[in-house]
Amino acid sequence: AQSVAQPEDQVNVAEGNPLTVKCTYSVSGNPYLFWYVQYPNRGLQFLLKYITGDNLVKGSYGFEAEFNKSQTSFHLKKPSALVSDSALYFCAVRDISNDYKLSFGAGTTVTVRA
Amino acid sequence: DAGVIQSPRHEVTEMGQEVTLRCKPISGHNSLFWYRQTMMRGLELLIYFNNNVPIDDSGMPEDRFSAKMPNASFSTLKIQPSEPRDSAVYFCASTGGSVYNSPLHFGNGTRLTVT
Repeated sequence: AQSVAQPEDQVNVAEGNPLTVKCTYSVSGNPYLFWYVQYPNRGLQFLLKYITGDNLVKGSYGFEAEFNKSQTSFHLKKPSALVSDSALYFCAVRDISNDYKLSFGAGTTVTVRA
Repeated sequence: DAGVIQSPRHEVTEMGQEVTLRCKPISGHNSLFWYRQTMMRGLELLIYFNNNVPIDDSGMPEDRFSAKMPNASFSTLKIQPSEPRDSAVYFCASTGGSVYNSPLHFGNGTRLTVT
């Protein structure tokens, strides 16, 4: 079975500082990995995905994520956080041998203080 | 592109009443998902449709829950009778192309409160 862990419920950073949101995954085959962001009273919005190829993936709003197969991690990063990045972030994994089902992590609340 | 449209945005009802949630997926998308979000359980997949056909409804919690997709542009999730523990935010999401590597596009959800 596939699963995702987001070890931190909350991440607090000052504006302008680097932001990292951690994600580790478990799959039996090769993973498809995704990051989504959710703003209050809104649905989840897609940020970026890793399917294959370059381990460093760039996405929307200046976010990037690094796929590390040996550590089974897919941490989300932003070099310089903005107050507007404050939101709930979800990591998700799909095991390509397990077709369509997408497993979401519990989410990490990011707060960027001015 | 108007995105995935869900209605109503908020629904407050009394226990025992029937509730119907509606979803219009993005035009051209052939896969549709219903999710439920709660603080306790996070995001749960309820049902998945492909080309209007229910593929997997194993996440539907009980027989009180039912979902239909009569055509490519409309889906409903019905709860009858509703119970307080059904209170949650219900999301509809759609995707086109390969369901394996294409991202999901979520609606803004329906916040259901059952008193």
